[in-house]
Amino acid sequence: AQSVSQHNHHVILSEAASLELGCNYSYGGTVNLFWYVQYPGQHLQLLLKYFSGDPLVKGIKGFEAEFIKSKFSFNLRKPSVQWSDTAEYFCAVKRSTGGFKTIFGAGTRLFVKA
Amino acid sequence: EAGVAQSPRYKIIEKRQSVAFWCNPISGHATLYWYQQILGQGPKLLIQFQNNGVVDDSQLPKDRFSAERLKGVDSTLKIQPAKLEDSAVYLCASSALNEQYFGPGTRLTVT
Repeated sequence: AQSVSQHNHHVILSEAASLELGCNYSYGGTVNLFWYVQYPGQHLQLLLKYFSGDPLVKGIKGFEAEFIKSKFSFNLRKPSVQWSDTAEYFCAVKRSTGGFKTIFGAGTRLFVKA
Repeated sequence: EAGVAQSPRYKIIEKRQSVAFWCNPISGHATLYWYQQILGQGPKLLIQFQNNGVVDDSQLPKDRFSAERLKGVDSTLKIQPAKLEDSAVYLCASSALNEQYFGPGTRLTVT
């Protein structure tokens, strides 16, 4: 069965520190990959997505993610976090053919200290 | 552009009672999803509609959960009877292509 693993459940960083959140998935076919973010008291919203092409994807608010097919990974990065990045981050994977459902990881809760 | 609307935002019921949630997707979005998000976990798909037809309901506990999208727009999700383990946030999302837009969710507490 398809699964998505996020290795860190809780991350605490100081402002200006660099961020990398890990995401690995189990499906071997062609996939669409997503990172969603949920700020405190707000809806889940899309941060960035990968469908095809350049494996380095730029998203909103300075976030980026790199798709490494050989490692089944789609890690999220940001060179310098801000207090306002405090949120929960979810990786999600969808098979790009056949209408397969989107599978979400368990989420990583990020707290940035001012 | 209006987002995905859900109501109610919060609901507290006793076990064995019934409850219904409502979702109004973004206008023109053919695909509608209901997710269950238990505390500490990611969203889990319960049911996916394409217009008013069911695409995937493999993880919907059909003995107690039901959902409909009669006119291909609004949708309702019902639980009858509720169990303690149904306490969760129920998220509705809609999409036109691959990107999903989420509503604020309904937080259900079953006591």
